[in-house]
Amino acid sequence: DAGVTQSPTHLIKTRGQHVTLRCSPISGHKSVSWYQQVLGQGPQFIFQYYEKEERGRGNFPDRFSARQFPNYSSELNVNALLLGDSALYLCASSFRDSPNQPQHFGDGTRLSIL
Amino acid sequence: KNQVEQSPQSLIILEGKNCTLQCNYTVSPFSNLRWYKQDTGRGPVSLTIMTFSENTKSNGRYTATLDADTKQSSLHITASQLSDSASYICVVSARGNTPLVFGKGTRLSVIA
Repeated sequence: DAGVTQSPTHLIKTRGQHVTLRCSPISGHKSVSWYQQVLGQGPQFIFQYYEKEERGRGNFPDRFSARQFPNYSSELNVNALLLGDSALYLCASSFRDSPNQPQHFGDGTRLSIL
Repeated sequence: KNQVEQSPQSLIILEGKNCTLQCNYTVSPFSNLRWYKQDTGRGPVSLTIMTFSENTKSNGRYTATLDADTKQSSLHITASQLSDSASYICVVSARGNTPLVFGKGTRLSVIA
């Protein structure tokens, strides 16, 4: 079975642009979470979706938004990009939204802002 | 404030040697603690997950311990290999629908 897949793998944007990152969870997984990982730091929670509903939101500005589709795939959108948005964006999926559920991560999208 | 602190920040060891990584947390109420391995440019991969009642769990050459009273965990790597070079991240989950709390990781380099 395929793991969590994310696209694109790398992306270069300029300040002020917007970006859409995509995530396909493991088949059968209904919960998707998004994380931002700045170089040398641990991942920071951005959003969690379960059954197409937002279940959690981290301390990120309104420029960040996300949604989950009926097939449980998800998109993360970032508007008005800033230099500080340069990071690895990770998507993780789990079967349910229980805190004891193991999370499976994709390899991320490396976003660079010029 | 829920926090996870890891030490050391980085570590260099010779191939074949053992090492121990530390994790202290203040997350409450505690649900479980996980250790992840993250290779450069890749997503984290789960090594172990321990609940309150478990004080040790092994996955091959990786052994994690948990002391829920002192809120400390360690990850012991036995007979290290070059492929163990990676960041090791301690992650703690609180009860209820709250986000996972990640440490900054320990960067391990295994050299020949």
